[in-house]
Amino acid sequence: EIVLTQSPGTLSLSPGERATLSCRASQSVSSNYLVWYQQKPGQAPRLLIYGASNRATGIPDRFSGSGSGTDFTLTISRLEPEDFAVYYCQQYGGSLTFGGGTKVEIK
Amino acid sequence: QVQLQESGPGLVKPSETLSLTCTVSGGSIRSGYYWGWMRQPPGKGLEWIAYMFHSGSTYYNPALKSRVTTSIDTSKNQFSLKMTSVTAADTAVYYCARLAVAGTYGYFQHWGQGTLVSVSS
Repeated sequence: EIVLTQSPGTLSLSPGERATLSCRASQSVSSNYLVWYQQKPGQAPRLLIYGASNRATGIPDRFSGSGSGTDFTLTISRLEPEDFAVYYCQQYGGSLTFGGGTKVEIK
Repeated sequence: QVQLQESGPGLVKPSETLSLTCTVSGGSIRSGYYWGWMRQPPGKGLEWIAYMFHSGSTYYNPALKSRVTTSIDTSKNQFSLKMTSVTAADTAVYYCARLAVAGTYGYFQHWGQGTLVSVSS
């Protein structure tokens, strides 16, 4: 099973700042089959990025995904107030596993 | 835009069976997508349970496979989850979702709002 480790566990930033979230896999994720979700309190997750770097429908272009193999990154170029949330990565290249999440909180 | 809505009891007794149904609207369950279940214990992360195609192909989380059964009713545009022998560890928000699958595995594209199921006597 591919284990996904997200870091940091919590990221404290101010609106307007850049957020860089990491997702590291215990082995290579085939075909870069990795996605990112955003989850706000009391809400279902929302798909942000699929295939490591493709924005889902309706996702603002301040969200971008990058990486390959075992190291993936979600970048939020300028944090908006609505972006403070928990972010999860998930791989589907070999079975289906989730990272433990990164909480982006207001500093 | 496809919408999903979970329904079922919010409280289940230990050792009994949890049963949930997801109703799909705004799209056909016979489309080329998979339909599945995920859960999230309070304050914790995400865990997938199972997903299925309308033809019957189903994939289960190995950790839960022995206790989980899924079914799909194309006439009602619904799919269902049954989980037997529940314990307090099965207390969670349960989500139904539509998946995009590449090969065998996939990711969750659209989600229901989720329903909290508590296991308690």
